[in-house]
Amino acid sequence: DAGITQSPRHKVTETGTPVTLRCHQTENHRYMYWYRQDPGHGLRLIHYSYGVKDTDKGEVSDGYSVSRSKTEDFLLTLESATSSQTSVYFCAISGWGDQPQHFGDGTRLSIL
Amino acid sequence: AQTVTQSQPEMSVQEAETVTLSCTYDTSESNYYLFWYKQPPSRQMILVIRQEAYKQQNATENRFSVNFQKAAKSFSLKISDSQLGDTAMYFCAFMSRNNNNDMRFGAGTRLTVKP
Repeated sequence: DAGITQSPRHKVTETGTPVTLRCHQTENHRYMYWYRQDPGHGLRLIHYSYGVKDTDKGEVSDGYSVSRSKTEDFLLTLESATSSQTSVYFCAISGWGDQPQHFGDGTRLSIL
Repeated sequence: AQTVTQSQPEMSVQEAETVTLSCTYDTSESNYYLFWYKQPPSRQMILVIRQEAYKQQNATENRFSVNFQKAAKSFSLKISDSQLGDTAMYFCAFMSRNNNNDMRFGAGTRLTVKP
């Protein structure tokens, strides 16, 4: 299994609070991704990174920001969480952009 | 933008039987990759099989095989000798070679294998 750890695994928080999710990898892969999974939509890309301090937006980036200060860590931040951001969040990594992505175990985030 | 459609929200199959999951996609590109991922109740996303569009030969991985029809933009997954452990959500995914950081997923098919 690819060495990907997401933390926390579960979180419940209130509307308007900031939330940060962490993805940590031990594979030294260049590419890292954040997705959200919602019923009826499969997985949708939020942001991705192609190197330290190099990030770009995905399909559903509004309301989210990311940072990557080290190869192994990719952080996803909700500056002011809203109920529409209740979802399961997955981190993924790949060595090169055209290689299959390998996923972490997901974080279930509930915003009340 | 590319779209991926899985028209079967739910399917079931008897243990040891064969089942085929459908996937169609829409793209104007000629170079791309297609994937099937499995998500069991544990929530893990597990890569099942991968197909490069430039390869005419259909990919196989043990009991899993695909029927890739490029002209029809169809990418179905066949599971032979179904096992109880195959019970899961299955997602079809498309990735362009021109923009290989933008992987698009279908909505998924929930497969139940019955004893």
